[in-house]
Amino acid sequence: GQQLNQSPQSMFIQEGEDVSMNCTSSSIFNTWLWYKQDPGEGPVLLIALYKAGELTSNGRLTAQFGITRKDSFLNISASIPSDVGIYFCAGHFAGGTSYGKLTFGQGTILTVHP
Amino acid sequence: NAGVTQTPKFRVLKTGQSMTLLCAQDMNHEYMYWYRQDPGMGLRLIHYSVGEGTTAKGEVPDGYNVSRLKKQNFLLGLESAAPSQTSVYFCASSPRNQPQHFGDGTRLSIL
Repeated sequence: GQQLNQSPQSMFIQEGEDVSMNCTSSSIFNTWLWYKQDPGEGPVLLIALYKAGELTSNGRLTAQFGITRKDSFLNISASIPSDVGIYFCAGHFAGGTSYGKLTFGQGTILTVHP
Repeated sequence: NAGVTQTPKFRVLKTGQSMTLLCAQDMNHEYMYWYRQDPGMGLRLIHYSVGEGTTAKGEVPDGYNVSRLKKQNFLLGLESAAPSQTSVYFCASSPRNQPQHFGDGTRLSIL
């Protein structure tokens, strides 16, 4: 099946620093999603991207759908302690009848030091 | 508005026991999904449903069964639990061709 490679696996940063993480795929995706998971909770949608080249912001978060449709990145500016959590990319594979099935990256664990 | 509700939140089973995890959504979503989350592996799709009375296999379906008798409910069953099924299970739902909304998970340990 389709696989997503998400990097980095973990990040330790100081409060106020900017953060960047990305996902790459061996296959073309027609949708990219970024989720955040807090401890003990389910993933919560941060940003959804639907077109190649699309750049979307949500507060301090910015994500882009790569031109090749095989990658996406998420940036967090001026990190704060509540940004701590696991960030997942996810995508809908462009081929076949996916019925909304998502392929998830392995996650990036973000730690923010005050 | 509760969104996606999973019960139970925690459970410990012995090998060979059976149990059913319940997922309920109050958003009138067409699609529902069951995932398992293991360390370092993201979320993997077990089974999914595109409507009442329909189910289909996902990436890791072995050892699990599902049923969707009502649009708002999606049940995940373990007929004979194995230690390899120790995991955190997440249910999600979505409208057709829209992002998925997740519940808060069921933490299952099998001894």
